[in-house]
Amino acid sequence: KAGVTQTPRYLIKTRGQQVTLSCSPISGHRSVSWYQQTPGQGLQFLFEYFSETQRNKGNFPGRFSGRQFSNSRSEMNVSTLELGDSALYLCASSLLAGAHNEQFFGPGTRLTVL
Amino acid sequence: DQQVKQNSPSLSVQEGRISILNCDYTNSMFDYFLWYKKYPAEGPTFLISISSIKDKNEDGRFTVFLNKSAKHLSLHIVPSQPGDSAVYFCAASAETGANNLFFGTGTRLTVIP
Repeated sequence: KAGVTQTPRYLIKTRGQQVTLSCSPISGHRSVSWYQQTPGQGLQFLFEYFSETQRNKGNFPGRFSGRQFSNSRSEMNVSTLELGDSALYLCASSLLAGAHNEQFFGPGTRLTVL
Repeated sequence: DQQVKQNSPSLSVQEGRISILNCDYTNSMFDYFLWYKKYPAEGPTFLISISSIKDKNEDGRFTVFLNKSAKHLSLHIVPSQPGDSAVYFCAASAETGANNLFFGTGTRLTVIP
């Protein structure tokens, strides 16, 4: 069974631009969560989608948004990029929603904002 | 505010010895705890978990201990192997219905052959 895939793997943008990251969950998984990993903060929860609906959102500004499609694939968008948005963005999928369901992580997208 | 803390950024252990990774949390509502392992250029992979109704969970060489009164959990790896060298993240959840995991900042374990 293929794992969680994320595209692109690496991305370089400049301040003020916007970016869209993509995540394809494991086949059959309906829940997709997004996390931001930075050296000082560890992994921080961005949001979770289940059956095309955002179920939960972390403490991030409105510049961070996401969506989920009917095939469970998800995208996240960051508008008006800031230097501090440079991070590894991780996507995780699980069969069902809820933290007690094992989450499977993708390799991440490394975003660098110049 | 970091609700899950891993105060040791790194740990080095000789092969065959015990590795003990520690994690503290501040939110008394957390009811489920997990450890993830992360290799470079890969996403974190689930290692072991424990519910707040238990104080110990064991899976092969890995054992997680939970001390609710101290709001502390630890991961023991015995015996440690060079392939265990990775970054270990502690995570916690407060709501069964939500997928919101709170992660620590990670501890880099190096097992010396």
